[in-house]
Amino acid sequence: GAGVSQSPSNKVTEKGKDVELRCDPISGHTALYWYRQSLGQGLEFLIYFQGNSAPDKSGLPSDRFSAERTGGSVSTLTIQRTQQEDSAVYLCASSLGRTGGSGYTFGSGTRLTVV
Amino acid sequence: AQKITQTQPGMFVQEKEAVTLDCTYDTSDQSYGLFWYKQPSSGEMIFLIYQGSYDEQNATEGRYSLNFQKARKSANLVISASQLGDSAMYFCAMREDTGRRALTFGSGTRLQVQP
Repeated sequence: GAGVSQSPSNKVTEKGKDVELRCDPISGHTALYWYRQSLGQGLEFLIYFQGNSAPDKSGLPSDRFSAERTGGSVSTLTIQRTQQEDSAVYLCASSLGRTGGSGYTFGSGTRLTVV
Repeated sequence: AQKITQTQPGMFVQEKEAVTLDCTYDTSDQSYGLFWYKQPSSGEMIFLIYQGSYDEQNATEGRYSLNFQKARKSANLVISASQLGDSAMYFCAMREDTGRRALTFGSGTRLQVQP
């Protein structure tokens, strides 16, 4: 597609439920990133996929968080047993995976609210 | 250790005047990239400008310029002739070219342009 697509745009869930957030990157972009942005804060790195390499999961805050990327394209971020502190905007970005500027395109994000 | 520091939580500027948003960074890598993004209230992340660590000249993109002082590890964003539409959050970010290619973000500066 023309841009990075994320769904849903908004998600309200009850504490303890599992949620899945989806990211569809720009076609041909080999690198995909997930970030979390809590209210009024900067972006916190969560996980990074590059081609067929093992993902860099070093930013995942707990084992309740996991992500996969199927066929080198669409990615799903799963949060199990959600807690109120998981409430945030989850942003996905993709890039060609090379060095250089302007290569990171962000989606519009999923606003997750845990009640 | 914090890798990107933005010391100005909020800034005000009069319309048509110039404003400088500060950013300092910390890295031991010789090869890295510095980015500025704008995030309006709609939440999208808009790429503004990029500076590579080996670029000798300061980057410019229209009304945006990046004042890169490598020895001081600073990468300040200068916006000339401010417009009301420039009111937004501004994030400085760095990508280190060894290891993970994900961006590390600062905490942001909220710019308000006054008429």
